[in-house]
Amino acid sequence: DAKTTQPPSMDCAEGRAANLPCNHSTISGNEYVYWYRQIHSQGPQYIIHGLKNNETNEMASLIITEDRKSSTLILPHATLRDTAVYYCIVRAGENFGNEKLTFGTGTRLTIIP
Amino acid sequence: DTGVSQDPRHKITKRGQNVTFRCDPISEHNRLYWYRQTLGQGPEFLTYFQNEAQLEKSRLLSDRFSAERPKGSFSTLEIQRTEQGDSAMYLCASSLYGTGGNEQFFGPGTRLTVL
Repeated sequence: DAKTTQPPSMDCAEGRAANLPCNHSTISGNEYVYWYRQIHSQGPQYIIHGLKNNETNEMASLIITEDRKSSTLILPHATLRDTAVYYCIVRAGENFGNEKLTFGTGTRLTIIP
Repeated sequence: DTGVSQDPRHKITKRGQNVTFRCDPISEHNRLYWYRQTLGQGPEFLTYFQNEAQLEKSRLLSDRFSAERPKGSFSTLEIQRTEQGDSAMYLCASSLYGTGGNEQFFGPGTRLTVL
């Protein structure tokens, strides 16, 4: 899988939008961008994924640049419970051998009251 | 709760002892994965099953580690002759392969401490 680059840490005020960037300049055409988060001492939680179009679900929005070399995860109204490590992962599609997730060290997001 | 479950949640053992962990995936998920996570690092892939077949093993999975999924449902991960370096969180995930997304859903993990 292609490597990703994320800032090691970020702070965001409670109630504001949290925007988490991710660079994946070597992403290939059959690779998706996945986001997971891990709250302290819990297993990772799937958030969202996308190929090239922007995606939104009940948890977050994913904005992927047109050249697909970077993306941003947006938590629209951050709460204290969103404090976690957020992982951006690039992964091949189901028909291209996407068995494992390759985690980096992620971004530690702290929501400030 | 129909999520992935793992048992035990915590295990403390002495060096040289054998330990076994269990993972129950989401019902009807045909893929099951094991990962290991050490402090300050992201999870690292160990192995995965499709139904009962073990299809890939990481180089991290030494000869002391063995995983099974005998009936294609729950899985066990055994570590023989534990070493202090085996201390970590062991995470299990499952997914439904063949429907397009193959998103992996994780359990709460088993935290192993080897004294």
